[in-house]
Amino acid sequence: TQLLEQSPQFLSIQEGENLTVYCNSSSVFSSLQWYRQEPGEGPVLLVTVVTGGEVKKLKRLTFQFGDARKDSSLHITAAQTGDTGLYLCAGGDNAGNNRKLIWGLGTSLAVNP
Amino acid sequence: DAGVIQSPRHEVTEMGQEVTLRCKPISGHNSLFWYRQTMMRGLELLIYFNNNVPIDDSGMPEDRFSAKMPNASFSTLKIQPSEPRDSAVYFCASSFLAAGEQYFGPGTRLTVT
Repeated sequence: TQLLEQSPQFLSIQEGENLTVYCNSSSVFSSLQWYRQEPGEGPVLLVTVVTGGEVKKLKRLTFQFGDARKDSSLHITAAQTGDTGLYLCAGGDNAGNNRKLIWGLGTSLAVNP
Repeated sequence: DAGVIQSPRHEVTEMGQEVTLRCKPISGHNSLFWYRQTMMRGLELLIYFNNNVPIDDSGMPEDRFSAKMPNASFSTLKIQPSEPRDSAVYFCASSFLAAGEQYFGPGTRLTVT
């Protein structure tokens, strides 16, 4: 069974601080997606990484896919209150007949003013 | 495009009543997913359809839950009879590929008293 573990589970920081959250698995994924979910809304896709070692930047957010495609990290520089939310990673498996995303439980981030 | 549409947004019902949740996916997407989200268990995949056919329903809790997709633009998730432990936020999502980027609806917050 494929599992994605996210850490930390909860994170509370002050505005302006930097942070990194992690998404780890013992399984290889063909792609890795990061979503952010704000209270009262559904998750919204931030980025998809598909190549081992790939790094993608989205303004102050930097996403990295591990070389072995088993793990990923999300780094936020100079966090803002608008970054508050639940960050979910999801792994894509294009092998086999049952092709679906495997979801982590998320990291709940609170950025305080 | 209007995005994924779900109705109702909120549902409060009494134990034992039938509940029907509705979803309209994004036009052109051929995969549709029903999720349940709770604080304790996070985002759980209940069932997903590919080209209107149920592919994986292993996440459906028990026989009280059923889902249908009569055509490419409509799906329902039914709970009969409902129980207090079914209280959660239910999300519908659609994608072009089953393991691809998913677009979520706003969710239905279900409360069973």
